[in-house]
Amino acid sequence: DQQVKQNSPSLSVQEGRISILNCDYTNSMFDYFLWYKKYPAEGPTFLISISSIKDKNEDGRFTVFLNKSAKHLSLHIVPSQPGDSAVYFCAATDSGGGADGLTFGKGTHLIIQP
Amino acid sequence: EPEVTQTPSHQVTQMGQEVILRCVPISNHLYFYWYRQILGQKVEFLVSFYNNEISEKSEIFDDQFSVERPDGSNFTLKIRSTKLEDSAMYFCASSDLRHPGANVLTFGAGSRLTVL
Repeated sequence: DQQVKQNSPSLSVQEGRISILNCDYTNSMFDYFLWYKKYPAEGPTFLISISSIKDKNEDGRFTVFLNKSAKHLSLHIVPSQPGDSAVYFCAATDSGGGADGLTFGKGTHLIIQP
Repeated sequence: EPEVTQTPSHQVTQMGQEVILRCVPISNHLYFYWYRQILGQKVEFLVSFYNNEISEKSEIFDDQFSVERPDGSNFTLKIRSTKLEDSAMYFCASSDLRHPGANVLTFGAGSRLTVL
């Protein structure tokens, strides 16, 4: 039962262009969403988050958009840089109770081409 | 920058053996977590721990698994009798607020467990 879905296992983007990573969720109880980045042989690193009361959150080159009605969020990276090449995980949680744990998607491997 | 450290980085064990994975969370964090990622699959929540007891656990975290904070710094995951399907990367994480959504988890680099 995939409550958080990242349907693109990989994405290739040219350096300097915009990278758009997508994530869909099915659990309407989720009210907080996070993106983590993971390099090989390292643990996931927090990138950016958004609460369900917002539809956009921006931090430098990274912007996360949330469309609650569509149960969809996306991460925009602009401009994309070679160091952005990594696996990006979308994660969600229900902060109102229940399990503490984050529910992760399977990840999207972003490859930035020079 | 404070970090979560995990040992060993890689452990190979025979099926049926006991394994202990160790983690040193960030010192002022109060909430601790174990996640795992089977190769090619998503990162899955196993268990959270607060105030010296399990806070929440997933259905994956069955009787073969246990967690412990034996002293003021270490946080361990024990698998009593390993199975082939326990082969995965195990990530420890810590945070200083109850709900991961209100704060962020800091993850360790992971311990790769290979069960033969």
